[in-house]
Amino acid sequence: AQTVTQSQPEMSVQEAETVTLSCTYDTSENNYYLFWYKQPPSRQMILVIRQEAYKQQNATENRFSVNFQKAAKSFSLKISDSQLGDTAMYFCAFSEGTYKYIFGTGTRLKVLA
Amino acid sequence: DGGITQSPKYLFRKEGQNVTLSCEQNLNHDAMYWYRQDPGQGLRLIYYSQIVNDFQKGDIAEGYSVSREKKESFPLTVTSAQKNPTAFYLCASSMGPYNSPLHFGNGTRLTVT
Repeated sequence: AQTVTQSQPEMSVQEAETVTLSCTYDTSENNYYLFWYKQPPSRQMILVIRQEAYKQQNATENRFSVNFQKAAKSFSLKISDSQLGDTAMYFCAFSEGTYKYIFGTGTRLKVLA
Repeated sequence: DGGITQSPKYLFRKEGQNVTLSCEQNLNHDAMYWYRQDPGQGLRLIYYSQIVNDFQKGDIAEGYSVSREKKESFPLTVTSAQKNPTAFYLCASSMGPYNSPLHFGNGTRLTVT
């Protein structure tokens, strides 16, 4: 069965600094998609970034980038120049060819002023 | 603007009563989903629907029921058979299967006493 593991329940970072959130997953599939979602205090889930497994190039969206290591089944999220608005729960998610998206348990990130 | 509307935002019910959570989307998405979110457990899939008049059980379907009579609507009924219904419920939609990101509603917080 596919699983997604986020081993950091909580993290904090100073404003303007860089932070990396870790995510590992387990699958026997070769083609799949990985996502990072942000859930701010409003609880609205927002897509941050997505990565296609067959693409070796790491995805980037403005201050957000990923480090995708397919062999290690690792998909970490790097947030550069952290802002107070980045304070949120971050969920890693995986999808592999069906309509099932599997989510990790989340990392609560707090950006400190 | 297109999006997903969940109503109500907060819902209170007495134990033993069925309750229906509303989810409407105007994104013209084929697939719709219901997730349950509990602290420390991430998002767990209750039901999903790929097309009108068709839906499949997710990982925790017991005690829940859904219908998909219209493309835009995917209501979730929490029945009295659900042993621990108090939770935050998120509705989502996507254009298609695994390569499409999920778009989420704002959620409904259900409290059963």
